[in-house]
Formats: sequence, C-alpha cells, structure tokens
Amino acid sequence: DAGVIQSPRHEVTEMGQEVTLRCKPISGHDYLFWYRQTMMRGLELLIYFNNNVPIDDSGMPEDRFSAKMPNASFSTLKIQPSEPRDSAVYFCASREDSNYGYTFGSGTRLTVV
Amino acid sequence: AQKVTQAQTEISVVEKEDVTLDCVYETRDTTYYLFWYKQPPSGELVFLIRRNSFDEQNEISGRYSWNFQKSTSSFNFTITASQVVDSAVYFCALSEAQTGRRALTFGSGTRLQVQP
Repeated sequence: DAGVIQSPRHEVTEMGQEVTLRCKPISGHDYLFWYRQTMMRGLELLIYFNNNVPIDDSGMPEDRFSAKMPNASFSTLKIQPSEPRDSAVYFCASREDSNYGYTFGSGTRLTVV
Repeated sequence: AQKVTQAQTEISVVEKEDVTLDCVYETRDTTYYLFWYKQPPSGELVFLIRRNSFDEQNEISGRYSWNFQKSTSSFNFTITASQVVDSAVYFCALSEAQTGRRALTFGSGTRLQVQP
C-alpha cells in the first residue's frame, strides 16, 4: 500500500489566494483526519470524517476553512482567502474503524506570503 | 474532555545516556488508546507504539521501552543508550474508543537533542 498520499508537498501562495490541499487515504480506511501543526499551537485536529461524513469540525479555525470528502478515496481542505497566519504544516491521516492504527501522510507545508 | 500533557519541552543528553520522556493523560473513557510518535527533522510523523487501556504490561522494543501506569495516568517512554539519530520531537497522543472523540489528541511534544 502506498500509504496516505498528500499533495502538494509544499505550497507557497500570496495572501488572499485560494489554497486547496489534497489527501488520498489508505483504501479501506473508514476515518480521515486533517491536522495542522504550528510552533505556537502544536498538532491540532481541524476536522475528521467517518465514512465520508464530517463528524467533528470544531477545530476548523473559521469560515475561511472548509473540508470535503466526496468519496472514500479523496478529501480536500480549502482555505479561501488565505492569510499569513495560515502558514503551517497540514497533515492528513486515516484509520480503519476496527483498528486503532493511525497512518499519517507526509504533510503539506503551506506558506502564505 | 481528553488531554495529554508533556511537561518536558526540551531535553538534551549526551550519546549513550538513558532518557525518559514523560506523558500524562486525562480521559473519561474507560477504553482508550495511547500512542507515541517520533517526528525527525525531516518532518514526517513516525509511529512508535500503540497501547490500549486494558494492557498495562510494559513493552520493550530494542532500546525503546514504555511504562504504562493507569494509577497515575502516565505513559512514559525511555530510550536506553541514546544515539544521535534519536534526536527528534516526540509526541504522546490519546484516542478515546467509547464515548469520546475518535481522533488523536496530541501532547505538545518533547524535543530531544542527543549530543555526540
């Protein structure tokens, strides 16, 4: 298995632009998670899905952030408009329902200038 | 609500020293899982161990060992005879399995520097 695949690995964008981060979970995994890592706040959960349905989005910072999971093999995290304070590493992870093994992608390093 | 505390922000040791990273957790669930992850300078999150709340046996894997004590809500990680390659940030995490959130809640991490 190729693991959790995130794209792009790095993204540099200008303030005000729309940014879309992508994630392909491991096939057969029922849960998908989006995390953000910053120096100030550490690793924080943004949102997670179970069987493509958002379960907990209480970590989404504000309306500028949105996440979708249109099918079991793909999810996006969109920021519109982006701001410099959104600069962080964004991780996607997936997990099987019956197995508490979380697999993380390599992350997307986002820089908003 | 669940919470994970790693009180040690940064630890510096000299190679071959033993080092223990502390982790204290809070949860209302009776069934939960505890984890340790390593984040080397390259940035990826590397899974080290998962332990469920019903298994309090200590575990050893090579130079790594873990001590789980429910009585003190702690899940500490010891590296024996540390090496420079152990330099990384280490995260402890918790996932609830009954009524709580199914996502991982991470501690703030402990940065370990192993000097040659």
